[in-house]
Amino acid sequence: GAVVSQHPSRVICKSGTSVKIECRSLDFQATTMFWYRQFPKKSLMLMATSNEGSKATYEQGVEKDKFLINHASLTLSTLTVTSAHPEDSSFYICSARDSVFTGELFFGEGSRLTVL
Amino acid sequence: AQSVTQPDIHITVSEGASLELRCNYSYGATPYLFWYVQSPGQGLQLLLKYFSGDTLVQGIKGFEAEFKRSQSSFNLRKPSVHWSDAAEYFCAVGERGATNKLIFGTGTLLAVQP
Repeated sequence: GAVVSQHPSRVICKSGTSVKIECRSLDFQATTMFWYRQFPKKSLMLMATSNEGSKATYEQGVEKDKFLINHASLTLSTLTVTSAHPEDSSFYICSARDSVFTGELFFGEGSRLTVL
Repeated sequence: AQSVTQPDIHITVSEGASLELRCNYSYGATPYLFWYVQSPGQGLQLLLKYFSGDTLVQGIKGFEAEFKRSQSSFNLRKPSVHWSDAAEYFCAVGERGATNKLIFGTGTLLAVQP
């Protein structure tokens, strides 16, 4: 199956700093990528949908200026958590679908962010 | 708007016993339906999916699920559970359309006892 890779898998940062998480589709071109956030012992909450070459579409309640999403190429999307605070600590997961409409999404391994 | 309900937050079964995890969805048309499994601190692995056709779908690791339109359900089953099946299971509904975004249920945590 298609492979989606996230980096870093774990990151610890100080409050007030910004952190970038990368999501790459390794063996297919991902026209659309999705970013999810998962709180401890909770389900996945869709944060935003990003399409290559255009602005991301954010779900209601997600701060656009806090969570910057860039999808500059067909294989890379990035999520930048700006001015991170402890409440931003979470597990962030990206997913991608390829250009052929199959309905299936492929998920990255997730990135654990801890803000001190 | 579509939604997914997994009524069971936590289930414990004995190894070798059968398993059924419930999933109900709300969607205006026939959705895409998925079951994913997540081990602690890991990403999601697709177990199986339903797009169309045969309503009984087979997945990996011996799992199967049945789409029942009349009940708006997509329950996951396995005839004999193994200790390695202990994990969190998520049911998800996908939009039929350009976005393909998935909406996840709250998950069911499966514990397997010897």
